[in-house]
Amino acid sequence: AQTVTQSQPEMSVQEAETVTLSCTYDTSESNYYLFWYKQPPSRQMILVIRQEAYKQQNATENRFSVNFQKAAKSFSLKISDSQLGDTAMYFCAFMKPPTSGTYKYIFGTGTRLKVLA
Amino acid sequence: EAQVTQNPRYLITVTGKKLTVTCSQNMNHEYMSWYRQDPGLGLRQIYYSMNVEVTDKGDVPEGYKVSRKEKRNFPLILESPSPNQTSLYFCASSLRQGGNTIYFGEGSWLTVV
Repeated sequence: AQTVTQSQPEMSVQEAETVTLSCTYDTSESNYYLFWYKQPPSRQMILVIRQEAYKQQNATENRFSVNFQKAAKSFSLKISDSQLGDTAMYFCAFMKPPTSGTYKYIFGTGTRLKVLA
Repeated sequence: EAQVTQNPRYLITVTGKKLTVTCSQNMNHEYMSWYRQDPGLGLRQIYYSMNVEVTDKGDVPEGYKVSRKEKRNFPLILESPSPNQTSLYFCASSLRQGGNTIYFGEGSWLTVV
């Protein structure tokens, strides 16, 4: 069974600095997708970034980038130039394409990030 | 505007009183699902639906029911709520094709006393 592990329950970073959130996963699949979701205090779930496992190039979205290490099954999120609005809970998620009717996202337990002024 | 709408957003109810949390999406998505979020446990899937009249259990289905009579709606039913079902609930939807982003509703805070 697939699992997703976020080993950092809480982190903090000074405004304008860079922070990296870690995520590891376990799967025997070769084709899958990985996501980072942000959950601000409003509790809305917002997609930050996604990565297809078959792509070697790391995904980037403005100040957010990932370090995808497929062999190590690692998918860390780097936030550059941290802003106060980045304060949120961040969830790593794994998705295996549907086979035999199975279609499932698996979420990590989250990392609570606080950006300090 | 593409969205997933849940109602109610906040509810306090008593043990044993049946309740339904509605979920509707306007994106013609085939796949819909329900999650509950609890501290330290992340999001856990309750039920999901691949299409109309096709539903299946997720990781924590006990105490819940769902139905998918129409593509856009996927209500979550608690026949006899108990305090351990106090949680934050999210409905989500996506296109069926692999790798598509899931869109979440705004969440429903449910307290069972």
